[in-house]
Amino acid sequence: GAGVSQSPSNKVTEKGKDVELRCDPISGHTALYWYRQSLGQGLEFLIYFQGNSAPDKSGLPSDRFSAERTGGSVSTLTIQRTQQEDSAVYLCASSPEVGLAKETQYFGPGTRLLVL
Amino acid sequence: KQEVTQIPAALSVPEGENLVLNCSFTDSAIYNLQWFRQDPGKGLTSLLLIQSSQREQTSGRLNASLDKSSGRSTLYIAASQPGDSATYLCAVETGRRALTFGSGTRLQVQP
Repeated sequence: GAGVSQSPSNKVTEKGKDVELRCDPISGHTALYWYRQSLGQGLEFLIYFQGNSAPDKSGLPSDRFSAERTGGSVSTLTIQRTQQEDSAVYLCASSPEVGLAKETQYFGPGTRLLVL
Repeated sequence: KQEVTQIPAALSVPEGENLVLNCSFTDSAIYNLQWFRQDPGKGLTSLLLIQSSQREQTSGRLNASLDKSSGRSTLYIAASQPGDSATYLCAVETGRRALTFGSGTRLQVQP
């Protein structure tokens, strides 16, 4: 079946502009995650959605970052007033919540963001 | 705060060689440990998931072990092939379900 998809695959923007990144999880997966992969920083957790529960936003680096998940499916990560240090690959993952710690996360191909 | 370290950072081996990648973590209160593979410009592919109650998992030429008490895991790749060339990432899951990743080992298998 279809995997996790993300769009756009690449995004170049100017400093100070807002950007929106989209994630389509695997159908039926109730959990959705956003991660960021930066040069020299590795992969870091940003935010986690599980069903109708309040999201875990503990990884968001600043209040310029926000995310929503509509209808328990598609998610959008928004970065306002982008800075050059926001340049990174933004990865989305989803998983079926069949039991804590028993199921892996399935990753999308990522969106490469470059802030000039 | 959980920290995950991977050694070596890079590794180059001739085809056919057996190899071991190492991962260590600072907090042993984990739910599971996972090994992923990342190809250039691609997302992550899950290779093996070891739950905290397990000691090892095997898939084909891959074998991963977990020693939770010492905070260590190894990924063993048997009879390496050029197609194994990729970055291998170790990640641990704690109670909040978000994964904490190591910085990865970049593997190059020479034909």
